[in-house]
Amino acid sequence: AQSVTQLDSHVSVSEGTPVLLRCNYSSSYSPSLFWYVQHPNKGLQLLLKYTSAATLVKGINGFEAEFKKSETSFHLTKPSAHMSDAAEYFCVVTPNTGTASKLTFGTGTRLQVTL
Amino acid sequence: GAVVSQHPSRVICKSGTSVKIECRSLDFQATTMFWYRQFPKKSLMLMATSNEGSKATYEQGVEKDKFLINHASLTLSTLTVTSAHPEDSSFYICSARDQYQAFFGQGTRLTVV
Repeated sequence: AQSVTQLDSHVSVSEGTPVLLRCNYSSSYSPSLFWYVQHPNKGLQLLLKYTSAATLVKGINGFEAEFKKSETSFHLTKPSAHMSDAAEYFCVVTPNTGTASKLTFGTGTRLQVTL
Repeated sequence: GAVVSQHPSRVICKSGTSVKIECRSLDFQATTMFWYRQFPKKSLMLMATSNEGSKATYEQGVEKDKFLINHASLTLSTLTVTSAHPEDSSFYICSARDQYQAFFGQGTRLTVV
C-alpha cells in the first residue's frame, strides 16, 4: 500500500522569496517519487523525480527536492519564487516496479505568488 | 514535445449523448494507460487502467458501463462517456508510463448541458 500527504493545501509567498511545499509518503515498496505542476485547465508537467539514485533531485525551473527516508518526506523547494510559478503542485508516489504500476497522488498544494 | 496527446481539449455535449476522448502515446508504445478524473480544485482520481488488447481494470465505484475504455493498439486508448449527464462534467486526464516516468495528456474539459 502507498499513500502521500501534502501538508498544505495552499501556500502563499512573495515573489523573490523561497518556496517550500511539503510532502510525506508511505509505501510498502522502495518508492519512486515525483512532483508535478498543473496550470489551470492544463495537463500535468513533470518537475522532478526520485528513483533511488541521488537523494537531492534537481528539476526544471529551479525546483529541487530532497528524499529523506528517515522522515518519509520529499519536500519541494525553490530559492526564489517567480510569478509564473503560481500553479497547483502534486506530489506523487509509485512502487518502483514498472510501467503498469499505479500512481498515487497527493491532494495538491496551490501555490500563490504575490508581488 | 508532448509524448502523450489527448483530444479533444474541450467538449460540450447535450445530456444523453456520448463523448469519446482519445489518448495517444507519441514517442513510445504504451501497453498500459491510465484514465483520471479531476474535480474542481481537487486531486486526480484514478478511474481505470487501460490494458492493450484486454479489458480495462476499473477502480472501485467507477461504472464500467458509463465509462467505456478501449485500448486497441499500443499507442491509442479511448474513453467514451456514455449517456452523459451534467454530473459527468469534469476534467479527464490520461497518462502513460515508460520505465522512467509518467506522461500526462493535456486533459479534456467535458461539459454536459
